[in-house]
Amino acid sequence: SQQGEEDPQALSIQEGENATMNCSYKTSINNLQWYRQNSGRGLVHLILIRSNEREKHSGRLRVTLDTSKKSSSLLITASRAADTASYFCATEGNQGGKLIFGQGTELSVKP
Amino acid sequence: NAGVTQTPKFQVLKTGQSMTLQCAQDMNHNSMYWYRQDPGMGLRLIYYSASEGTTDKGEVPNGYNVSRLNKREFSLRLESAAPSQTSVYFCASTDLGTDTQYFGPGTRLTVL
Repeated sequence: SQQGEEDPQALSIQEGENATMNCSYKTSINNLQWYRQNSGRGLVHLILIRSNEREKHSGRLRVTLDTSKKSSSLLITASRAADTASYFCATEGNQGGKLIFGQGTELSVKP
Repeated sequence: NAGVTQTPKFQVLKTGQSMTLQCAQDMNHNSMYWYRQDPGMGLRLIYYSASEGTTDKGEVPNGYNVSRLNKREFSLRLESAAPSQTSVYFCASTDLGTDTQYFGPGTRLTVL
């Protein structure tokens, strides 16, 4: 069973626009992570937010976490064509180390 | 640093054949993982190894075995491949200091 449910499943925007992806989960977590996957490649870690944090920034990425609603969002500002990829949220529970992945959001940024 | 490496990159098997997928990491990580990814889905954990000498089942372990040969290497074996095991397999390792997982490039396996 997968912990994370991501919304939307697919998102198409123009270069320069912002992209927002959402993730909901079911059980308590230690942290929530976002990964990017370019077509045919492995996953690359983007950002981690711990359960006691509410917001985190990294470059053009902004992640929020609402543990009361068991949800997170990833915002990519001023998107570029190179941001075209699938984005996955993953939660780490209290057992540590093991991640449970969502089904991903496929982002297409048109030049 | 090569990071996480996987071999082979591609493999085609017939039903009933066996094979071993190899994974190695050079980052001195304790924990290593095997996932499978099916079209349009996220990753599902097959097996993991929290440290050298230990292995545990993940969400979808049936039909697979693993060996943590040493701290660097973690292999995944299919004893009798089935078409349902057609998938892309990813190996990962964890930096416990940051909880970040580092992924290999994947092995695309087709079972006919």
